[in-house]
Amino acid sequence: GAGVSQSPRYKVAKRGQDVALRCDPISGHVSLFWYQQALGQGPEFLTYFQNEAQLDKSGLPSDRFFAERPEGSVSTLKIQRTQQEDSAVYLCASSPRPQGQMGTGELFFGEGSRLTVL
Amino acid sequence: KQEVTQIPAALSVPEGENLVLNCSFTDSAIYNLQWFRQDPGKGLTSLLLIQSSQREQTSGRLNASLDKSSGRSTLYIAASQPGDSATYLCAVRGNNAGNMLTFGGGTRLMVKP
Repeated sequence: GAGVSQSPRYKVAKRGQDVALRCDPISGHVSLFWYQQALGQGPEFLTYFQNEAQLDKSGLPSDRFFAERPEGSVSTLKIQRTQQEDSAVYLCASSPRPQGQMGTGELFFGEGSRLTVL
Repeated sequence: KQEVTQIPAALSVPEGENLVLNCSFTDSAIYNLQWFRQDPGKGLTSLLLIQSSQREQTSGRLNASLDKSSGRSTLYIAASQPGDSATYLCAVRGNNAGNMLTFGGGTRLMVKP
């Protein structure tokens, strides 16, 4: 597609439920990032994929968070046993080049998935 | 660890004013700096990207400057319009491979007609 697409746009979960958030990056983009944005704050890095390889997951807040990108395109962020503090907007971004290569390094963001945990 | 701070956190101005948004970062070893706009309930739209070797970038009424040595960037908006109302986010990318974008907390701008 023309841009980064995320679904669902809105998700309400009861505490303890598992959720899965999907990201369709721009076609052909090598790099894919997940960010978490709490209300009124800037986004914070969660994890990074280069094609299907998860090269950095240092930002994942706990082992309840899991991300995958099995075929190097679509990515899923899964949160198990959701807690109220997981309520946030989860943003996905893609970039045409791997991190560390020359190039503008510009990231293109989706509109995010807003998760509310009751 | 890189830290990015944006001042002010919120700003309200009458239409037509020129304004400056500030961004500071603690580690000057950056690859580039990017300014984004975020409308309520929306994702991030890239406005300007400045490479570490550049001093400024311009797009229409927007001008972003970068002083890497002092760890500062400013976003200048000329002749502000109500449609400029949004949150403006500054983000820096570190030099090392694998260093990701680190964001500031944003400046919420309201331009009153």
